[in-house]
Amino acid sequence: NAGVMQNPRHLVRRRGQEARLRCSPMKGHSHVYWYRQLPEEGLKFMVYLQKENIIDESGMPKERFSAEFPKEGPSILRIQQVVRGDSAAYFCASSSGTGGMKPQHFGDGTRLSIL
Amino acid sequence: QQQVKQSPQSLIVQKGGISIINCAYENTAFDYFPWYQQFPGKGPALLIAIRPDVSEKKEGRFTISFNKSAKQFSLHIMDSQPGDSATYFCAATTTGNQFYFGTGTSLTVIP
Repeated sequence: NAGVMQNPRHLVRRRGQEARLRCSPMKGHSHVYWYRQLPEEGLKFMVYLQKENIIDESGMPKERFSAEFPKEGPSILRIQQVVRGDSAAYFCASSSGTGGMKPQHFGDGTRLSIL
Repeated sequence: QQQVKQSPQSLIVQKGGISIINCAYENTAFDYFPWYQQFPGKGPALLIAIRPDVSEKKEGRFTISFNKSAKQFSLHIMDSQPGDSATYFCAATTTGNQFYFGTGTSLTVIP
């Protein structure tokens, strides 16, 4: 499968624990984006990364949330000390470039539930 | 502030009918306008996209109409089928920047 791979598909955490969401972009894609989707709502941009660099994190909460895209391996979205309000579907997308006709391709998401 | 405004929030269409979803934007620097289709439990999938130098793009039963002066664009689904029932998102972006998504339209096509 050459598509964007996200894991786990479902993640359950208790309040105060840490959540780690992984995203492997499509082959040949070096741009990764993370979005959050709440039920009945659209996609909210969180962060845009290229290999080893955070390009735009304007949509990410200042506390508890961090993201990385190392030289080797998947991109990781990390949520520390999770709270009930973090429950959502988190989607990763990748592209070969930005804007123009370089569309973002999405994974099937990680559904995070906080007990 | 919502960069891209989408309507309606939900839409019910009879099989064989035309589904129309509208989006409006303010930033005239946007240069790429894709539409995504999302089924329950799945990620959004690119459906069709347009650049502002054309007024219409058609792919099969799906057509984007683009009105640059009005800063509006719309998705038309001709001969709508029950399998088209999904949530549709419009988006806009400028080169080198993030995508801005509309809030989505839940389409139900009744057999």
